[in-house]
Amino acid sequence: KAGVTQTPRYLIKTRGQQVTLSCSPISGHRSVSWYQQTPGQGLQFLFEYFSETQRNKGNFPGRFSGRQFSNSRSEMNVSTLELGDSALYLCASSKGTSGAYNEQFFGPGTRLTVL
Amino acid sequence: DQQVKQNSPSLSVQEGRISILNCDYTNSMFDYFLWYKKYPAEGPTFLISISSIKDKNEDGRFTVFLNKSAKHLSLHIVPSQPGDSAVYFCAAPEYAGGTSYGKLTFGQGTILTVHP
Repeated sequence: KAGVTQTPRYLIKTRGQQVTLSCSPISGHRSVSWYQQTPGQGLQFLFEYFSETQRNKGNFPGRFSGRQFSNSRSEMNVSTLELGDSALYLCASSKGTSGAYNEQFFGPGTRLTVL
Repeated sequence: DQQVKQNSPSLSVQEGRISILNCDYTNSMFDYFLWYKKYPAEGPTFLISISSIKDKNEDGRFTVFLNKSAKHLSLHIVPSQPGDSAVYFCAAPEYAGGTSYGKLTFGQGTILTVHP
């Protein structure tokens, strides 16, 4: 079973630009969550999508947005990039069903550097 | 407000000895906890979990202990191996109405180094 894939793996942008990151979940998983990892703030939750709907959102500015497609693939977009957006962006997929906890499986991440 | 805390940034142990990684939480609504392991340039990998109805869960060399009254959990690795060297995160999902809407709250992580 293929794991979670993220593209691109590395990205360099300049301040003010925008960026789109992509995540393909494990086959059959309908939930995709995004996280930002920085040395200062650790791993922080950005948002979660299930069946093309955003179900949950973390405490990030509106410059961070996402979407999910009918095949469960997800993209996140960061507009007007700032130096502080330099981070490892991780996505995780899970079945997303209610009841018992659904384990999240993480992709390798996209390393974004903003110059 | 850090709801999940790992107060030890790093831990160094000798191969074959026990590694004990600690985690504290403040949110009494958390009732499920997970440990993830992360190597550089890779995403976190699930290790072991524990539900609040238990106080211990074992999986091979890994055991997680939960002390609800102290809001504390620990991960024991016995015996430790050099391949265990990685960053370890504890995490807790947030639930609403019986469903976890994708949000895991992570601790800051502990860098474990196991020396041969």
